[in-house]
Amino acid sequence: NAGVTQTPKFQVLKTGQSMTLQCAQDMNHEYMSWYRQDPGMGLRLIHYSVGAGITDQGEVPNGYNVSRSTTEDFPLRLLSAAPSQTSVYFCASSSPAGAFGNTIYFGEGSWLTVV
Amino acid sequence: ELKVEQNPLFLSMQEGKNYTIYCNYSTTSDRLYWYRQDPGKSLESLFVLLSNGAVKQEGRLMASLDTKARLSTLHITAAVHDLSATYFCAVDGGGTSYGKLTFGQGTILTVHP
Repeated sequence: NAGVTQTPKFQVLKTGQSMTLQCAQDMNHEYMSWYRQDPGMGLRLIHYSVGAGITDQGEVPNGYNVSRSTTEDFPLRLLSAAPSQTSVYFCASSSPAGAFGNTIYFGEGSWLTVV
Repeated sequence: ELKVEQNPLFLSMQEGKNYTIYCNYSTTSDRLYWYRQDPGKSLESLFVLLSNGAVKQEGRLMASLDTKARLSTLHITAAVHDLSATYFCAVDGGGTSYGKLTFGQGTILTVHP
């Protein structure tokens, strides 16, 4: 059981470049989300999805785009990378409230540096 | 806007001692998570607390939730070096915001011999 899989694990981008962070889960979870982790600030929610075709913004959505065409995948796009987007990105998934298992599962993280 | 505050942010403990990490949050929620993170690693789920008065224990760690006080605690009993890590609490938005977590800043725990 792979759980939540993120790729790539490490990436260096130049300012202005675009890229996509991939996230896939094999637990048939409806809920998926992206967080970024910066030193001393904990994790902050970027975007969120409750199912295929449904997305919502989190606390820090600017500069990021998401779509959810399948239950399994939730890619995060950086449209024009900026140094302020240097961070560690985590994808998470869970089942809805009331279903078996209330744990929210996190991927291994993607380390992104924008120079 | 939901705000979550942990204290202390840094905790240096001797092995064998007890201590408590506090997690305060600003708006009503009945779902709170505790995670552990080792350097360069992902988040490991420790506890999910789902109701007022919930108490869960695993090994030397015990977590509790008081939804009326909007407070959760993570108690460490007889600390050992292997518990050195960063600990996060995270509060669920609930209702239509289920699954949207607001995290505390994290508590960096170092256990010394």
